[in-house]
Amino acid sequence: ILNVEQSPQSLHVQEGDSTNFTCSFPSSNFYALHWYRWETAKSPEALFVMTLNGDEKKKGRISATLNTKEGYSYLYIKGSQPEDSATYLCAHYNTNAGKSTFGDGTTLTVKP
Amino acid sequence: DTEVTQTPKHLVMGMTNKKSLKCEQHMGHRAMYWYKQKAKKPPELMFVYSYEKLSINESVPSRFSPECPNSSLLNLHLHALQPEDSALYLCASSQDPVGTRRQPQHFGDGTRLSIL
Repeated sequence: ILNVEQSPQSLHVQEGDSTNFTCSFPSSNFYALHWYRWETAKSPEALFVMTLNGDEKKKGRISATLNTKEGYSYLYIKGSQPEDSATYLCAHYNTNAGKSTFGDGTTLTVKP
Repeated sequence: DTEVTQTPKHLVMGMTNKKSLKCEQHMGHRAMYWYKQKAKKPPELMFVYSYEKLSINESVPSRFSPECPNSSLLNLHLHALQPEDSALYLCASSQDPVGTRRQPQHFGDGTRLSIL
């Protein structure tokens, strides 16, 4: 992996379903990974900052894991609600660059 | 409500106009950022200020000119823009200078810019 890639690009689930999506990034020179939630007509909101291999973070029904050796992070949403509908962005920092690289995002739509 | 305030929310300007976008935060953050975001694409970094000094310029055309008058304010001066510059311009701030990279960024709501 040379760039930051997110999959799937979009996801449609029913209310109450649990779901997960992936952020893949270059595994070399890893420094940090950020997850953001971006709802339509609002500003991106930080969810998690992940720095250590094996990190697991949780915020309510949302959790994230990190595997820096293989270069991926999973974001899980348990019991999706319509208010979870948003685009979820990951941003990767490596030790060689002072800036982050964003993935294209996964757009989640939760149907009532 | 976001703690990073951007004005104006919408701006329509001609290609010969000069205008400025403003960003303000009062969280004591020492790093501030400008991003450009086109539809269905992720935010694209333009500039980073660290302790009020420009630390990253992502080869942005000179028709975009950033300014950081103090630790709470960040401006983006616009002159002679092109139609392809129409986009959402997002400002963000983070607690520590960009070197730490382990603090989340706090984003404003953005300015929707349209170039006629």
